[in-house]
Amino acid sequence: NAGVTQTPKFQVLKTGQSMTLQCAQDMNHEYMSWYRQDPGMGLRLIHYSVGAGITDQGEVPNGYNVSRSTTEDFPLRLLSAAPSQTSVYFCASSYSNYNEQFFGPGTRLTVL
Amino acid sequence: AQSVTQLDSHVSVSEGTPVLLRCNYSSSYSPSLFWYVQHPNKGLQLLLKYTSAATLVKGINGFEAEFKKSETSFHLTKPSAHMSDAAEYFCVVSDPYAGGTSYGKLTFGQGTILTVHP
Repeated sequence: NAGVTQTPKFQVLKTGQSMTLQCAQDMNHEYMSWYRQDPGMGLRLIHYSVGAGITDQGEVPNGYNVSRSTTEDFPLRLLSAAPSQTSVYFCASSYSNYNEQFFGPGTRLTVL
Repeated sequence: AQSVTQLDSHVSVSEGTPVLLRCNYSSSYSPSLFWYVQHPNKGLQLLLKYTSAATLVKGINGFEAEFKKSETSFHLTKPSAHMSDAAEYFCVVSDPYAGGTSYGKLTFGQGTILTVHP
């Protein structure tokens, strides 16, 4: 049981490049979400999904896209990277809205 | 709307002394509350959670928290700090009825960095 996995662990992009951060979970959780962590700001919700085919925006969605074609996978796409997207990104999953969320190890992204 | 305020951005204690990390919350409904810990360059790990059962919640590594509805607080305590407790701690509120769907969006506090001195 691997839990929540994220790839890559580190990434450096140039402004304007696109990329996809991968997230997968093997706990059959319906709820998955993406957060970004910036110093002194805690974690902020980017996008979330309550099941395959259903996604919605969080607190800071601009510049990011998501899709959920399977229960296991929830990729986050940066269409045109900007320096303001330099951050640590965490994916999380949970069984329901009353249960704790399980977090992946994070992806540290730098946009030059 | 829900919100969380962690009252101290940094707390410094000596090893063997008590730890108190303070958290106040705001929520329209009966919330779920969590404390997570993050060690340097690591992901987040759940310490404990409150979901409307007992108001005194015990977690891992000797931590506990008390839910006080009248004070809208959920402070984290530990009787005796250990060097390995040095980390950043996040208080988190989940209101299952927030927003247009029933998804319990998590709202994080800004974090409290705990330093433990020998």
